[in-house]
Amino acid sequence: EAGVAQSPRYKIIEKRQSVAFWCNPISGHATLYWYQQILGQGPKLLIQFQNNGVVDDSQLPKDRFSAERLKGVDSTLKIQPAKLEDSAVYLCASSLEGPNQPQHFGDGTRLSIL
Amino acid sequence: AQSVAQPEDQVNVAEGNPLTVKCTYSVSGNPYLFWYVQYPNRGLQFLLKYITGDNLVKGSYGFEAEFNKSQTSFHLKKPSALVSDSALYFCAVMGVNTGGFKTIFGAGTRLFVKA
Repeated sequence: EAGVAQSPRYKIIEKRQSVAFWCNPISGHATLYWYQQILGQGPKLLIQFQNNGVVDDSQLPKDRFSAERLKGVDSTLKIQPAKLEDSAVYLCASSLEGPNQPQHFGDGTRLSIL
Repeated sequence: AQSVAQPEDQVNVAEGNPLTVKCTYSVSGNPYLFWYVQYPNRGLQFLLKYITGDNLVKGSYGFEAEFNKSQTSFHLKKPSALVSDSALYFCAVMGVNTGGFKTIFGAGTRLFVKA
């Protein structure tokens, strides 16, 4: 099966600019996750979708971050405006529905803020 | 609140020797526990999970993990390490949270296997 696709792989922007990331999950996976992984740390959940509804966005900085999953398939994560501390790898993952299902990760987008 | 601790930043082991990567957790109710591996510039890959049943679970690439409820631990093990096992390993717990289940990842343990 095709894996989770993410683009772009790398992005360099200046602070206060905006940026968007795209994720295409594995076909049939109802649950989609966006994580932020800062160098040397474990992934931190930003937002979790179940189909096209938000299940958990408690750690999403909503003043600058937004995410959507229209039609319950692809998803985009946006940052506007970016801050220096947003430099990180943004990982998308998908899974079948249920807490016992493993997550399948894309290779991420490495974001550098200048 | 649920949490995951990986007490070792790095584990060093010689090729052919057994390896253990430690993980302890805190969660309300029954835990769903996972191990993932991450290679450089790649996303995380699922290794194994504990949901219920036998305390020793087997996973990919010869890895296994032992669930210990009394010690709230879920240590990752392999009888004979390979140089290619060198990578970053993450323990994760999924527990009940307001609105559903939430995944928490540990900070990761870097495994270095020396030839």
